[in-house]
Amino acid sequence: GAVVSQHPSWVICKSGTSVKIECRSLDFQATTMFWYRQFPKQSLMLMATSNEGSKATYEQGVEKDKFLINHASLTLSTLTVTSAHPEDSSFYICSAGAGGPYEQYFGPGTRLTVT
Amino acid sequence: DAKTTQPPSMDCAEGRAANLPCNHSTISGNEYVYWYRQIHSQGPQYIIHGLKNNETNEMASLIITEDRKSSTLILPHATLRDTAVYYCIVFNTNAGKSTFGDGTTLTVKP
Repeated sequence: GAVVSQHPSWVICKSGTSVKIECRSLDFQATTMFWYRQFPKQSLMLMATSNEGSKATYEQGVEKDKFLINHASLTLSTLTVTSAHPEDSSFYICSAGAGGPYEQYFGPGTRLTVT
Repeated sequence: DAKTTQPPSMDCAEGRAANLPCNHSTISGNEYVYWYRQIHSQGPQYIIHGLKNNETNEMASLIITEDRKSSTLILPHATLRDTAVYYCIVFNTNAGKSTFGDGTTLTVKP
């Protein structure tokens, strides 16, 4: 089956610094990738949809200048949390679309802790 | 986006079938029903999907009502490792995205 990886799996950073999270589709090309955020005991919340070679589409309420998304190739999308604050601490999950009927394959997630 | 409604939690005895219901009464004709599950602190795992016909794979069966307003995921012989949060979502092909609801926490007990 389709495999999606994320790096790092967990990261601790200081308030005010920036953190980059990578999402890779390992055995397929993904024209679309999705970024989600999940707080403890809550469901996944879609942050943005990323299409290769174009600007990401952000969901309402998600600051695009704070959560920078780059989808430079068909196998790689990155999410950069800029000037991170403790309230940005969360579980960030990406998924990649493998084509239609549309299936999303999820990465294992990245646990971000901002101190 | 079509909204889904699931019971917050369910228990199931090990070895028995687990039947997880989902209501999606506002689903439109070109929207697929997908099921994922998430084990604690991991990314969601794809289980099965369907449009209007019942589907079966090595993990589960998906039963979709004729009016498509609800569906049931069936795990035929639940094991302890099936304990997870199960999400029923509707994929909007026009919008190209899906929205996760609150899911059902399935606990399989020995």
